[in-house]
Amino acid sequence: QTVVTQEPSFSVSPGGTVTLTCGLSSGSVSSSHDPSWYQQTPGQAPRTLIYSINTRSSGVPDRFSGSILGNKAALTITGAQADDESDYYCLLSMGSGIYVFGGGTRLTVL
Amino acid sequence: EVQLVESGGGLVQPGGSLRLSCAASGFTFSSYWMHWVRQGPGKGLVWVSRINSDGSSTTYADSAKGRFTISRDNAKNTLYLQMNSLRVEDTAVYYCARVRGYSGRDFDNWGQGTLVTVSS
Repeated sequence: QTVVTQEPSFSVSPGGTVTLTCGLSSGSVSSSHDPSWYQQTPGQAPRTLIYSINTRSSGVPDRFSGSILGNKAALTITGAQADDESDYYCLLSMGSGIYVFGGGTRLTVL
Repeated sequence: EVQLVESGGGLVQPGGSLRLSCAASGFTFSSYWMHWVRQGPGKGLVWVSRINSDGSSTTYADSAKGRFTISRDNAKNTLYLQMNSLRVEDTAVYYCARVRGYSGRDFDNWGQGTLVTVSS
């Protein structure tokens, strides 16, 4: 069974830049997986940040960007702010109507 | 405004059943594919199931296959998840989510979730 991998945790300084990644236990992430990214703070429902690799959802600040870096999907936050401290999840479409979330990355801004 | 409101969660014993509902409003429900996603206590998001717009096509995660059934009533603008043979590990907040662009492969709107606790 394919596992979608993310860094369990990451830390960034206020104003800094951080790149979170989303990979596969076997193989490479590509545009065919249609990667999307979600932000979640404790006790809240997820919020959609990025879809189709690099398209920002409505209302998402442009400091968030998505890409494919090498064999992984990536979410980059440029100029991190305190309220970016959240859990971040990627979602991959695995084909045949099956989807898999990554395990999530807890981002700390300090 | 798009609204998704889940209900039906609660405490159930292992082996029991529960039916979750997701009431949709603010959009043409019958045009959109829908999903269920869950999150165990202190854990990450897990995709559970997907249904197409007219209910003729459904898919499931391995953990849900054979035990859970996703369905919808477009006349009532409501999505369902029938959960049978519940296990302790099914304890989670269950979210319904709307896809982006009718049949997209990502989600643009989420409900607030309903908590299911499986315990004796």
